[in-house]
Amino acid sequence: DADVTQTPRNRITKTGKRIMLECSQTKGHDRMYWYRQDPGLGLRLIYYSFDVKDINKGEISDGYSVSRQAQAKFSLSLESAIPNQTALYFCATSTGSTDTQYFGPGTRLTVL
Amino acid sequence: AQSVTQLGSHVSVSEGALVLLRCNYSSSVPPYLFWYVQYPNQGLQLLLKYTSAATLVKGINGFEAEFKKSETSFHLTKPSAHMSDAAEYLCAVMGDYKLSFGAGTTVTVRA
Repeated sequence: DADVTQTPRNRITKTGKRIMLECSQTKGHDRMYWYRQDPGLGLRLIYYSFDVKDINKGEISDGYSVSRQAQAKFSLSLESAIPNQTALYFCATSTGSTDTQYFGPGTRLTVL
Repeated sequence: AQSVTQLGSHVSVSEGALVLLRCNYSSSVPPYLFWYVQYPNQGLQLLLKYTSAATLVKGINGFEAEFKKSETSFHLTKPSAHMSDAAEYLCAVMGDYKLSFGAGTTVTVRA
């Protein structure tokens, strides 16, 4: 079984809809991250969480919100989706500040 | 703030030829550097990482990278390309508890 899972894997939605992307991990890591990937831009950090009570904005948090329901679960929400949020979204986990981040398989989101 | 620049968005190599992917970093402190590989429709997989130990770092699948402080570089190499090396490769630097990624380099391998 995969250590970091993301649901759904693919989603097509319409402008203005609320969307939630979910991430679960069985690695026992405290730190979790959400990134988006766009062609030619690499991965950019949206939000990160060092534990259940610690949520931090990344470089591109506008239009997104997150929830850390438990150590193992970290959800990303788009309150009102817009077309330029069409991207590949990745969840990642790690144990410490300099440790390797382990990535989920990604969610491909298309906003029409 | 830490950042990385990957030179060349696309690299095409012949099977059996050297693979060289370039990454330069900017960091105000000794950096922690990473190379990840992303195969089509998959997540990112760690190839190797530099954590201030040996400057030549060996990774999976025959890849290695050399940390050169004087050149602020962390280039990735593989002596002999295989068809299965076709993928996107991302260089990243750790800073302020977060990874900052380069734009990525897509590698195609010609038979």
